Amino acid sequence: GEDVEQSLFLSVREGDSSVINCTYTDSSSTYLYWYKQEPGAGLQLLTYIFSNMDMKQDQRLTVLLNKKDKHLSLRIADTQTGDSAIYFCAERSADRRALTFGSGTRLQVQP
Amino acid sequence: DSGVTQTPKHLITATGQRVTLRCSPRSGDLSVYWYQQSLDQGLQFLIQYYNGEERAKGNILERFSAQQFPDLHSELNLSSLELGDSALYFCASSSVTNTEAFFGQGTRLTVV
Repeated sequence: GEDVEQSLFLSVREGDSSVINCTYTDSSSTYLYWYKQEPGAGLQLLTYIFSNMDMKQDQRLTVLLNKKDKHLSLRIADTQTGDSAIYFCAERSADRRALTFGSGTRLQVQP
Repeated sequence: DSGVTQTPKHLITATGQRVTLRCSPRSGDLSVYWYQQSLDQGLQFLIQYYNGEERAKGNILERFSAQQFPDLHSELNLSSLELGDSALYFCASSSVTNTEAFFGQGTRLTVV
C-alpha cells in the first residue's frame, strides 16, 4: 500500500533555510503536496507538484522531486518564526482521490 | 481562510453517545473528504463523497457513517463513541479537476 515517511523534527535559526524531506512508496503517485498546520489550526495547502516536474518554486518555497528515488523536499528560504509549524507531505495517484499523509515534521525556528 | 467551514469547532461527549459533525465545502466544489487526525494514527482518510454519492472509503469504522446532501454540505456521524475516537476530524473539499484539496479548521472531538 501507499506509505509516506517524514522525519519528526527540524530546528533552524531565523534567517536560515529549512529543508524538510519526505519519501513515498507509491510509484503511481501523480501529485505530491505540502501542507502546513499551525497549533490549533487546520491544514493549509502550501504548494503541490505534479509527478512529471522536478522542481517548483513559489516565493520562499522550493519543492524538489526526485521521482526515481521517490523523494520530495520542501525548502523554505529565509525562515521566519512564523514558519514554526508542522509540515505534512502528502501524495495521491490519478485513480485515488484521497491523500495519503506523512506523519508530519515539526519545524522549530529559533530567534 | 480556505473556504471550507466545519461546525462545531469543539465537541465534548460521553462514551456510548452519538455526534454529528458538519462540513460546508468551498463554493462550487463537488467532492468532500473526511479525515481523522489522532496522535497515534496521524492523518487518516475516512471517506469521500462526490456530488452526493459515496466515491471512496478509507479506514472508516462501521460505527461511523457520512452523507452528502443536495446542497453539497456533508455530515459525519459517529456513534457508540469510545475514548479512542477522541481526535481532530477534518473535512476537505476539491473541485472537479481535483488537483488541490482545501481543508477546514477541523472539529476537535473529546470523548470522556
